[in-house]
Amino acid sequence: QSVLTQPPSVSGAPGQRVTISCTGSSSNIGASYDVHWYQQLPGTAPKLLIYGNDNRPSGVPDRFSGSKSGTSASLAITGLQAEDEADYYCQSYDSSLSGHVVFGGGTKLTVL
Amino acid sequence: QVQLQESGPGLVKPSETLSLTCSVSGGSISTYYWSWMRQPPGKGLEWIGYIFYSGSTNYNPSLKSRVTISLDTSKNQFSLKLSSVTAADTAVYYCARAVSTSGWFNYWGQGTLVTVSS
Repeated sequence: QSVLTQPPSVSGAPGQRVTISCTGSSSNIGASYDVHWYQQLPGTAPKLLIYGNDNRPSGVPDRFSGSKSGTSASLAITGLQAEDEADYYCQSYDSSLSGHVVFGGGTKLTVL
Repeated sequence: QVQLQESGPGLVKPSETLSLTCSVSGGSISTYYWSWMRQPPGKGLEWIGYIFYSGSTNYNPSLKSRVTISLDTSKNQFSLKLSSVTAADTAVYYCARAVSTSGWFNYWGQGTLVTVSS
C-alpha cells in the first residue's frame, strides 16, 4: 500500500485532456512538501516530468502541467498523443519516521 | 551531461547479500543526494535510501535494518548492500541523483534486474 494514492489507470482519446490525481496526507503533501511527477515508458527508467509541483524541466512539452492543493496534487496532460501512453508516478517526502521519500503506486495511461 | 550506470550480479541466492554499484560520469559525486530505488516486476517504484556527499544517509523505514548505502568519491561511485534477501527483493534496481532530501530525481541510471533465486 503506497503512502501516496494514485488511480491505477486512466484513459483518453487522442487530443483529449486527462488528469491523474495523487492523494497524500498531513505528513507529506499536506505538510507543504513538494510533489514531483515521472513518466515511465515500457522497459525504461522513469523520466522527470514535473518538479516542485508545477515546473517543467527543459524539453518537456507544455502539454504537461502539475498542480497541488491541500493534501493532493494533479498531473494534467492536454492534447493527448499516442506516445504519452506510459506509467506515471508522483513522488513527495513524508515527515514521519525520521522522514523519507515516498512514491505513489503509479497510474497507467492508455491512449485509446 | 550526468550519466549513471548500475552494475552488479543479476542473480543472488536467498539469505545472501545483494550488492550493486552506481558509477557516475559527467559530474562529481561530491555534491547532491545519491539514491537507490527499486521496482519489482509489474509493480511500482520504491525508494530504498540515499547518501549525501558528506556521508550522511537516510533509508526507507521498511528496509532500514537490511540496507547500507556507501560512497566512494575517489571512484565517483556509490553502492548499495541489501542483506538477507528473499524472492520479494527481486526487482529492477535504479540509482538516481536528487537535488535535496525532499527533491526530485533528475538523473537516473538505466536500471539493472536482480533476481533472488536458488
